[in-house]
Amino acid sequence: DIQMTQSPSSMSASLGDTVTITCLASQDIGNYLSWYQQKPGKSPKLMIYGATNLEDGVPSRFSGSRSGSDYSLTINSLGYDDEGIYHCHQYYEYPYTFGAGTKLELK
Amino acid sequence: EVQLVESGGGLVQPGRSMKLSCAASGFTFNNYDMAWVCQAPKKGLEWVATISYDGSSTYYRDSVKGRFTISRDNAKSTLYLQMDSLRSEDTATYYCARHEGELGWFAYWGQGTLVTVSS
Repeated sequence: DIQMTQSPSSMSASLGDTVTITCLASQDIGNYLSWYQQKPGKSPKLMIYGATNLEDGVPSRFSGSRSGSDYSLTINSLGYDDEGIYHCHQYYEYPYTFGAGTKLELK
Repeated sequence: EVQLVESGGGLVQPGRSMKLSCAASGFTFNNYDMAWVCQAPKKGLEWVATISYDGSSTYYRDSVKGRFTISRDNAKSTLYLQMDSLRSEDTATYYCARHEGELGWFAYWGQGTLVTVSS
């Protein structure tokens, strides 16, 4: 199975900060990587697909990038609505796997 | 508006069965591959199973192979997950999700239904 090692597991940042969350794939997954935001008690919300494509309706403050097997989600100008847990997901091959999640809190 | 509404969760004893349903609306159901994804309490997301748009192909994670069956009724725009021989480690919120592209990412998720396996 493809392992997705996500870091950090949690982080705290201030309003207006720029934060980056990273997922390392244990093998090549091409650009078959998506990112989701999950609020407490809610279902996940798609933010990024194809490693770098912004889902419709998602603010342009969010961006995705890739460097080799490292995939990153960057959030610019952090706002209170950005709090939540972020999950990466590889859909290159079965079984599909997710990272363990990153809990983002605002100071 | 795309809507996915799960039902059928609840408390079930170990070894027993449970069937989840997911009613889809707002899109042409038989054009899309569908999946179940679960999340144990305070844990991460885990893909469970996928079924192709026409039901001809199914895929499962190893831990549920032989115990869970994903199916669909395109006439009713409904996705199912038959869960047999349930174990305590199956306790989770189960989400149905719509694949985008060919067996790709998940753009739409239901609100989830909680399955608790306990005696």
